[in-house]
Amino acid sequence: ETGVTQTPRHLVMGMTNKKSLKCEQHLGHNAMYWYKQSAKKPLELMFVYNFKEQTENNSVPSRFSPECPNSSHLFLHLHTLQPEDSALYLCASSQSGLERLDTQYFGPGTRLTVL
Amino acid sequence: GQQLNQSPQSMFIQEGEDVSMNCTSSSIFNTWLWYKQDPGEGPVLLIALYKAGELTSNGRLTAQFGITRKDSFLNISASIPSDVGIYFCAGRTTSGTYKYIFGTGTRLKVLA
Repeated sequence: ETGVTQTPRHLVMGMTNKKSLKCEQHLGHNAMYWYKQSAKKPLELMFVYNFKEQTENNSVPSRFSPECPNSSHLFLHLHTLQPEDSALYLCASSQSGLERLDTQYFGPGTRLTVL
Repeated sequence: GQQLNQSPQSMFIQEGEDVSMNCTSSSIFNTWLWYKQDPGEGPVLLIALYKAGELTSNGRLTAQFGITRKDSFLNISASIPSDVGIYFCAGRTTSGTYKYIFGTGTRLKVLA
């Protein structure tokens, strides 16, 4: 595997379900990000992890819970979601979250549908 | 708050034509990135710009970091059908944050 991978690619869940999205980067980067992409709206930054520490929570509802066990893996745990949470969830990584070398590389995304 | 206006929102062009799109900001940026996103995929980085006035090419793509540091331009020369997709700009302010602001995208359709 190369670059940034995400699983699953598609997910359909009910509002009472609990599911998790997984992201893995094979680029040796230190920073990882979760974004939400909704139709007709700009990409919205959700969370940032730098060297496994959460450095940004962009006022995301608590029904989204991130986890970063190491610099290569990032999870987004989902529970009691709402239909308006349906979107493409993108993971990205960069060399470092704090310097010029922070050009972000994206995974293919998980298309989430909440029924 | 910071805004990033990207235009045009969409465009239809004939194969072989040149394409131009731009992003403007209400704030000064110190980094501009241009991405392309195909349906069902994540954005793929095309060009990164780090210095005002910088002009960088990637094949048929050329992007420029505006002198005012509030805008950036992307040009595609001699478009081909596989250029179809959504092109996003992203900018980062001088505040030292690693947070990027993304434009709403330019949807490009190429007519063969």
